[in-house]
Amino acid sequence: DVKVTQSSRYLVKRTGEKVFLECVQDMDHENMFWYRQDPGLGLRLIYFSYDVKMKEKGDIPEGYSVSREKKERFSLILESASTNQTSMYLCASSLWGDLYSNQPQHFGDGTRLSIL
Amino acid sequence: KNQVEQSPQSLIILEGKNCTLQCNYTVSPFSNLRWYKQDTGRGPVSLTIMTFSENTKSNGRYTATLDADTKQSSLHITASQLSDSASYICVVSAGYGGATNKLIFGTGTLLAVQP
Repeated sequence: DVKVTQSSRYLVKRTGEKVFLECVQDMDHENMFWYRQDPGLGLRLIYFSYDVKMKEKGDIPEGYSVSREKKERFSLILESASTNQTSMYLCASSLWGDLYSNQPQHFGDGTRLSIL
Repeated sequence: KNQVEQSPQSLIILEGKNCTLQCNYTVSPFSNLRWYKQDTGRGPVSLTIMTFSENTKSNGRYTATLDADTKQSSLHITASQLSDSASYICVVSAGYGGATNKLIFGTGTLLAVQP
């Protein structure tokens, strides 16, 4: 079974801090994704990556950056955390293909981030 | 505008009963439609992925249907169990490739199965 592991289940940070969210997958997947999930809004794509050192903006990239130095690891960075970034953050991976391909995405269990 | 709408927003049923969740979409060009199950406090888990040419797809007690003409999909759950209590998310994938690709997420139907 695919395992997508997010480093923290809960995280509390202060406004203005630089925040790192880490995600690791163990199935040699090409694609990795970062989403945020807010009540009533569903999942929204922040960034995704097709390969090592490669990244593409999703629908809401403002205030975020990402890093993919190794195939199995995809990091989400909040450069200067703000209260409106309080949310559930979900990482996902898929085997290959673009967003329209027929490969399912495998999700981690999320990091609930609170910015005070 | 690409949109995915799910109904109902929430649903309560008794254990052992069947139920059907709806997903309507206005997405172009259509590539595929996915149903995910998300337990409370967990990440979504893929149930089915259906392409334009597929009308029905089953995964155990879950059966998804797709009508590409009317742009509607449904997820039917047979003989519900307490473990079916979860949020069910419909996702439509659109695009021919490249930077125009999009995944459009519905906001989910919250299902509660009661004993």
